[in-house]
Amino acid sequence: SQTIHQWPATLVQPVGSPLSLECTVEGTSNPNLYWYRQAAGRGLQLLFYSVGIGQISSEVPQNLSASRPQDRQFILSSKKLLLSDSGFYLCAWRTGQNSPLHFGNGTRLTVT
Amino acid sequence: GQQVMQIPQYQHVQEGEDFTTYCNSSTTLSNIQWYKQRPGGHPVFLIQLVKSGEVKKQKRLTFQFGEAKKNSSLHITATQTTDVGTYFCAGGGGGSNYKLTFGKGTLLTVNP
Repeated sequence: SQTIHQWPATLVQPVGSPLSLECTVEGTSNPNLYWYRQAAGRGLQLLFYSVGIGQISSEVPQNLSASRPQDRQFILSSKKLLLSDSGFYLCAWRTGQNSPLHFGNGTRLTVT
Repeated sequence: GQQVMQIPQYQHVQEGEDFTTYCNSSTTLSNIQWYKQRPGGHPVFLIQLVKSGEVKKQKRLTFQFGEAKKNSSLHITATQTTDVGTYFCAGGGGGSNYKLTFGKGTLLTVNP
């Protein structure tokens, strides 16, 4: 069966520090991968999605970036965190168009 | 770009009352999906609607997709405390078949 792993679960980082969140999917090949951010426990904002290795589509211009070095690995990064980067970051995958999204457990990031 | 509006933002009901949340898209959708997020958790897929005018039921939950494929609703009959959470609609299509645009969600609380 397919599983998605996302870590860490919680993270407290100072302003200006770098960030690296990792997500891996098991049990499927060539998944579509997504990074969403949820602020204040409400709406889900699409940050990045990827339909293949090295292919990244950015939805929101900001100080975050994403990479997909391997088929089932998706990484969210920042060189310098801002206070406004605090939130709940969710990685998700699906097999393709018109299929359900499967979310990881998320990372709660607090920038202090 | 594609926008998905969802109302109401909050709904508080007495246990046993009905509940409805509505979703409207600025563009015609290829499909619409519904998710539930329990407090502190991650969104979990409930159902997908694809056909114009489609109606699907899951026990006390009824999902509808509008004839023009631009709106959808979720109705819960006789709410229970286990229904507590945030319900999201997510629209697919509208220019990119890989993107899934989420509404801001409706937070449902149930008074026992």
